[in-house]
Amino acid sequence: DIQMTQSPSFVSASVGDRVNITCRASQGISSWLAWFQQKPGEAPKLLIYAASTLQSGVPSRFSGSGSGTDFTLTISSLQPEDFATYYCQQGNTLFTFGPGTKVEIK
Amino acid sequence: QITLKESGPTLVKPTQTLTLTCTFSGFSLSTSDSGVGVGWIRQPPGKALEWLGNIYWDDDKRYSSSLKRRLTITKDTSKNQVVLTMTNMDPVDTATYYCAHSLYYYDSRGNYRDALDIWGQGTMVTVSS
Repeated sequence: DIQMTQSPSFVSASVGDRVNITCRASQGISSWLAWFQQKPGEAPKLLIYAASTLQSGVPSRFSGSGSGTDFTLTISSLQPEDFATYYCQQGNTLFTFGPGTKVEIK
Repeated sequence: QITLKESGPTLVKPTQTLTLTCTFSGFSLSTSDSGVGVGWIRQPPGKALEWLGNIYWDDDKRYSSSLKRRLTITKDTSKNQVVLTMTNMDPVDTATYYCAHSLYYYDSRGNYRDALDIWGQGTMVTVSS
């Protein structure tokens, strides 16, 4: 099975900051990676698929990059509504989610 | 507009079988609607998401390796419903269970995978005697 790791587990940041979250797969997954945002008490929301394709309606401050085993989610200028937990998910072989990264207010 | 909603018991006893229903609208899982599926995902309180399995328009089914012996996913196209069955429930299975719409997407070489693009609100299931 493909395992996913994320770093860091927690990010403390301020509004306007640039935030990078890294996701690593235990084996190559080409570009079959998605990113989700989840706020407390809500269902996850798809932000990015195919490693870098922005889902319709998602603000352009979100971007994704990477291929193979290493991927990055970047929030270029953190907004108040972006404080949430972010999950990566591989879709190359079945599905596996990462453990999540919580973005907190500094 | 695509919507999904999970329903089922909020409390089950250990060793019992859990049956959850995902009722959806805005799409179909009939054989004429290729590239469409429904996935099940769960999330224990305060923990990460865990994918359980998917079912597709052509009745193809894929399950988590660690749970596949306990899981069955079926569809009723006429009712626009997908049913998840999980046997031998244990307190560690206490979680919010989500269903989600899954749609194929393609790369430049024509390879394809699917993405869980629209989710239901989730339903909390507690396993306790």
